[in-house]
Amino acid sequence: GEDVEQSLFLSVREGDSSVINCTYTDSSSTYLYWYKQEPGAGLQLLTYIFSNMDMKQDQRLTVLLNKKDKHLSLRIADTQTGDSAIYFCAEYSGAGSYQLTFGKGTKLSVIP
Amino acid sequence: DTEVTQTPKHLVMGMTNKKSLKCEQHMGHRAMYWYKQKAKKPPELMFVYSYEKLSINESVPSRFSPECPNSSLLNLHLHALQPEDSALYLCASSQDSGDRVPPYEQYFGPGTRLTVT
Repeated sequence: GEDVEQSLFLSVREGDSSVINCTYTDSSSTYLYWYKQEPGAGLQLLTYIFSNMDMKQDQRLTVLLNKKDKHLSLRIADTQTGDSAIYFCAEYSGAGSYQLTFGKGTKLSVIP
Repeated sequence: DTEVTQTPKHLVMGMTNKKSLKCEQHMGHRAMYWYKQKAKKPPELMFVYSYEKLSINESVPSRFSPECPNSSLLNLHLHALQPEDSALYLCASSQDSGDRVPPYEQYFGPGTRLTVT
C-alpha cells in the first residue's frame, strides 16, 4: 500500500538552511506536495513537483526529487522564526484519484 | 483568489446537539473535501464531492452528514457526536481529477476547531 515517511522533528538556527526529508513507496505517484501548517491553522500549500522533474525552486524553497530512491526533500534557505511550523509531504497517485497520502509531518523549530 | 473559508472557527457542542460546519470557495473548483485532523497527526480524509455528488465516503459514521448545495458550498452536519469526535475539521477544494487538468493541488481552509462535551 501507499506510505509516506518523514522524520518528526527538526531544529535549526535562524539564518541557516533547513532540509526536510520525505520518502514514499507508491511508484505511480505523479505529483508530490509540501504543505505547511502553523499552530491552530489549516494547511498552506507551499509547492509541488511533478514526478518527471528533478528539482523545483521557488524563492527560498527548493524541492529535490530522486525518483529512483523515492526520496523528496524541501530545503528552506535563510530559515526565519516565521518558518516554525509542521511540514507535511503528500503524494497524489494520478487521474481518477482524489486521494492525497500524507506523511506524519515534520515539526520545524527555528532557534533565534 | 486561492481562499477557502470555513465557519465557525471554533465550535463547542454537547452530545445531543445538532450543528453544521460550512465551507465556501470561489476558485471554480469542482472537487471539495472534508478532512478530520487530530492533534499532532496528518489530516484524514472523510468525504469527497465531485461536481456536487458524493464521490468518496471513507466509512465515516452516520452522525456526520455532508451536503454540497452548489459548486461553491460544502456543509458538514453534525448530530449526536461523541467526545472522541473533537478535532480540527478541514475543508479543501481542487480541480476535479476527472477534468484531467493537473496538478490537482488541494487548497485548505483554516479549519473549524470542534470540541464535543
